[in-house]
Amino acid sequence: NAGVTQTPKFRVLKTGQSMTLLCAQDMNHEYMYWYRQDPGMGLRLIHYSVGEGTTAKGEVPDGYNVSRLKKQNFLLGLESAAPSQTSVYFCASTNGAASSYNEQFFGPGTRLTVL
Amino acid sequence: AQSVTQLGSHVSVSEGALVLLRCNYSSSVPPYLFWYVQYPNQGLQLLLKYTTGATLVKGINGFEAEFKKSETSFHLTKPSAHMSDAAEYFCAVSVRGGSYIPTFGRGTSLIVHP
Repeated sequence: NAGVTQTPKFRVLKTGQSMTLLCAQDMNHEYMYWYRQDPGMGLRLIHYSVGEGTTAKGEVPDGYNVSRLKKQNFLLGLESAAPSQTSVYFCASTNGAASSYNEQFFGPGTRLTVL
Repeated sequence: AQSVTQLGSHVSVSEGALVLLRCNYSSSVPPYLFWYVQYPNQGLQLLLKYTTGATLVKGINGFEAEFKKSETSFHLTKPSAHMSDAAEYFCAVSVRGGSYIPTFGRGTSLIVHP
């Protein structure tokens, strides 16, 4: 099993450009999440999904959109990148349908720099 | 709503010394508690978790944590630090019966000196 994978690993954008981050998991998990990690801020939830075709806003959703067309994939889009979106982005998944005591499985992260 | 406070953004210890990373939580219902570790340039991985039952939980790499309801704490300890323990550690809490959206602390960076 590959677990949770993220594409790309690194990316540099110019202000105003758009991009999509791809997250894939092969564990048949129901729940998927996108977080951003900034120094001193810990992990902040951007959007999440409780199943195929569903999405919901997290703590910091502005400037991002997501889609969950297939159960195994969760896409994070930046329509018009801003320097404030420079961060490390993590995708995670869990078998949340079972119980909230299940741990999350994280991808390796995507380092995004917006100039 | 639940919350997590990790005391100390950085903790520095000598190799072989006791490691103690502090986590206090707030929850209106019985919580599930987690410790995750993040090695440099990697994603988070589970160290240990408390769900029900025994309050002393053992995890990977010699770490353990004790759930203390009266103190609303879930501190992480390891008797003897190793250089390879240098990493970022996150405490997280989720609540029973709710949708699975855990709350993470801001993290504690463990520095291990030779």
